[in-house]
Amino acid sequence: AQSVTQLGSHVSVSEGALVLLRCNYSSSVPPYLFWYVQYPNQGLQLLLKYTSAATLVKGINGFEAEFKKSETSFHLTKPSAHMSDAAEYFCAVSLSGGYNKLIFGAGTRLAVHP
Amino acid sequence: NAGVTQTPKFQVLKTGQSMTLQCAQDMNHEYMSWYRQDPGMGLRLIHYSVGAGITDQGEVPNGYNVSRSTTEDFPLRLLSAAPSQTSVYFCASNKAGASNEKLFFGSGTQLSVL
Repeated sequence: AQSVTQLGSHVSVSEGALVLLRCNYSSSVPPYLFWYVQYPNQGLQLLLKYTSAATLVKGINGFEAEFKKSETSFHLTKPSAHMSDAAEYFCAVSLSGGYNKLIFGAGTRLAVHP
Repeated sequence: NAGVTQTPKFQVLKTGQSMTLQCAQDMNHEYMSWYRQDPGMGLRLIHYSVGAGITDQGEVPNGYNVSRSTTEDFPLRLLSAAPSQTSVYFCASNKAGASNEKLFFGSGTQLSVL
């Protein structure tokens, strides 16, 4: 069965500091992996997705994630945090083929302080 | 372009009451789905549909019914609300095709069952 584990339910960084949000997955077949972001009182928006074309994936707003098969990880990073990055971030995995039932992690709430 | 529209935004029910959460999309997407979001648990799939007249259960379907009579609409029905159904509900849609298609989310319905 597939699952996603996000390490750290809350992460706090200073403005301008590196953002690192951790995601590990388990899947018996090559997965598709996603990062979604949720701003307060809004639905989720796609940040980036891994589809096996390249292990380093660049997304919107300066975020990127690297797929590491040996570590079963798909950590999200951003070199320099901005106040507007404060939000909740969800890692998700889906099986290839057919309807893409997404399995979401529990989420990591990112706080950015001046 | 409205995207995915959910109504109502907020709802309070008494135990045993019934109600329907509405979801409509104007992107001609084949796939639609309902998720519930609970603290510390991420989003969990309730029901989904791969086209008009076709629905299937997700991870947590008990207590919920759905139907898909048109491509645009995918209502979620609670026949007899229970306090355990207090949650934030999100409707999503996406194009059919590869499993890496991104989901478009509505802004959510916050439901409280007393």
